[in-house]
Amino acid sequence: DAGVIQSPRHEVTEMGQEVTLRCKPISGHDYLFWYRQTMMRGLELLIYFNNNVPIDDSGMPEDRFSAKMPNASFSTLKIQPSEPRDSAVYFCASSIGGQRTEAFFGQGTRLTVV
Amino acid sequence: RKEVEQDPGPFNVPEGATVAFNCTYSNSASQSFFWYRQDCRKEPKLLMSVYSSGNEDGRFTAQLNRASQYISLLIRDSKLSDSATYLCVVNRVTGGGNKLTFGTGTQLKVEL
Repeated sequence: DAGVIQSPRHEVTEMGQEVTLRCKPISGHDYLFWYRQTMMRGLELLIYFNNNVPIDDSGMPEDRFSAKMPNASFSTLKIQPSEPRDSAVYFCASSIGGQRTEAFFGQGTRLTVV
Repeated sequence: RKEVEQDPGPFNVPEGATVAFNCTYSNSASQSFFWYRQDCRKEPKLLMSVYSSGNEDGRFTAQLNRASQYISLLIRDSKLSDSATYLCVVNRVTGGGNKLTFGTGTQLKVEL
């Protein structure tokens, strides 16, 4: 298995533009997590899905952020419109589920909004 | 109060030293616990799970104290390659599933 795959690896965009981050979880994993990491705030959970259903989106910072999981093998995180303070590394992770299962992370998308 | 709290460090230690990190969590309903390691500009990876009785994996020992709501990680005979950020992770079952919350991490620098 190739692991969790995220694209793009790097994204530089201008303020006000729409940004779409993509994630392919490990096949067979029921859980998918989106995290954002900054120096100031560390790893923040934005939203997670169980069997393609959003379970907890309380970490989504505001309405400019939205996430979807149309099927078990694909998820997107969209920011519209983007702002400089959205600059961060965005990680997607997946896990089988259950209390003791490991979450596997993708390599992340480094987003810079100028 | 944050759900998971860690001392950010950095902890600068000489090679061969023993170093310990603590992490506290606020929600007593938390059910399982982990330590992850993150190298610079890389993704986090599981280091070890933390069991109630404490567990050891080579030079690494993890402990859980449910009464005081903290977990610890002890690294013995530290190596240069142990330099990384160590993330405390708490798993809590919510309405629809398992919610993994990460601490902000403790940075370790092992020096010659």
